[in-house]
Amino acid sequence: TQLLEQSPQFLSIQEGENLTVYCNSSSVFSSLQWYRQEPGEGPVLLVTVVTGGEVKKLKRLTFQFGDARKDSSLHITAAQPGDTGLYLCAPGSSNTGKLIFGQGTTLQVKP
Amino acid sequence: KAGVTQTPRYLIKTRGQQVTLSCSPISGHRSVSWYQQTPGQGLQFLFEYFSETQRNKGNFPGRFSGRQFSNSRSEMNVSTLELGDSALYLCASSRQAYNSPLHFGNGTRLTVT
Repeated sequence: TQLLEQSPQFLSIQEGENLTVYCNSSSVFSSLQWYRQEPGEGPVLLVTVVTGGEVKKLKRLTFQFGDARKDSSLHITAAQPGDTGLYLCAPGSSNTGKLIFGQGTTLQVKP
Repeated sequence: KAGVTQTPRYLIKTRGQQVTLSCSPISGHRSVSWYQQTPGQGLQFLFEYFSETQRNKGNFPGRFSGRQFSNSRSEMNVSTLELGDSALYLCASSRQAYNSPLHFGNGTRLTVT
């Protein structure tokens, strides 16, 4: 079982601040997915990173896959209350529905 | 395109009872997976069905079971409920493709008293 560690576990910040959350493992992954789960809803895929060193941007969100493909980070610029939620990472699936998620980072952005 | 639909949204049961949860996947998706989410354990994989066959299974006791119908709709059943089964149960569907994202429903919140 691949173990993913996400940090920090909880983060509470003010609107407009920047933040970074991490997803680390001792295993090498062929790809990694980030999901966001808003209160009362199911997780929604944000991005899949595939290549070591890859950087993907989604508006104010920047995702990076480590060179060794063992870790990933998510940086949010100028956080907004709408960014509030649980951020989950998981190794990409080999075309099955079985994903092993990290424990997640709960982000609260206060107005 | 309709998303993944789970019913019911909320359920309260008593210890020892059994419960059945339902999931309708996105049209055309043949894979349906079930997950349990709790504050302590996070999001944990229960099992996956594809073309009416269980393809993967997580580390849960035999009280947790599921099935998939020919129209890809799926049900999961938990028998002899325990207090620790209180959780959010999420269903996800996906296409049969590498790195295909999981599309989750909004879950069924089960409370066992």
